[in-house]
Amino acid sequence: AQSVSQHNHHVILSEAASLELGCNYSYGGTVNLFWYVQYPGQHLQLLLKYFSGDPLVKGIKGFEAEFIKSKFSFNLRKPSVQWSDTAEYFCAVTPRGSNYKLTFGKGTLLTVNP
Amino acid sequence: DADVTQTPRNRITKTGKRIMLECSQTKGHDRMYWYRQDPGLGLQLIYYSFDVKDINKGEISDGYSVSRQAQAKFSLSLESAIPNQTALYFCATSDGTPDTQYFGPGTRLTVL
Repeated sequence: AQSVSQHNHHVILSEAASLELGCNYSYGGTVNLFWYVQYPGQHLQLLLKYFSGDPLVKGIKGFEAEFIKSKFSFNLRKPSVQWSDTAEYFCAVTPRGSNYKLTFGKGTLLTVNP
Repeated sequence: DADVTQTPRNRITKTGKRIMLECSQTKGHDRMYWYRQDPGLGLQLIYYSFDVKDINKGEISDGYSVSRQAQAKFSLSLESAIPNQTALYFCATSDGTPDTQYFGPGTRLTVL
């Protein structure tokens, strides 16, 4: 079974700082990778996803993530965060072809101070 | 996502009571899922359904049951609620290929 590790439980940044949230997965085969965001009091929304092709994927609101297969990683980045990016971020993985179950990491809470 | 709705949005109940949470979707997706979210634990899959006649247990199905009444409706029941079922419950849908899931607004359940 696959698993997902998010190393940072809570990250606190000032506006305009750069962001990188770590995500590593454990699975021997090919995977689809996702980042979801949950703003305070809201439901999860898809931020970006990787299925194949260019390992650097761009999502909404200036976020991007890079898939590094050799490191089993899919880190989320943003060059300059805003106060409105305050949210909880979840990395998720599903084995390619299974198409039935996302396995989520435990989430990273990002607080951006104005 | 407004295409996935959950009712109720908040519910407070007592230990031993039967509770039903409902999920409806207008996205036309065949696949539907129920998750619970606990602080610091992320989302855990309770049940999932690939179509009306296909129901599968997830990671933490004990104490829960589901009903897929139609393609658009997937209900989660707690037959006899207990306090450690206090959590935020999310319904999600997907069209399966590839498996991008779309989440409802959540139901905050408190069991006293």
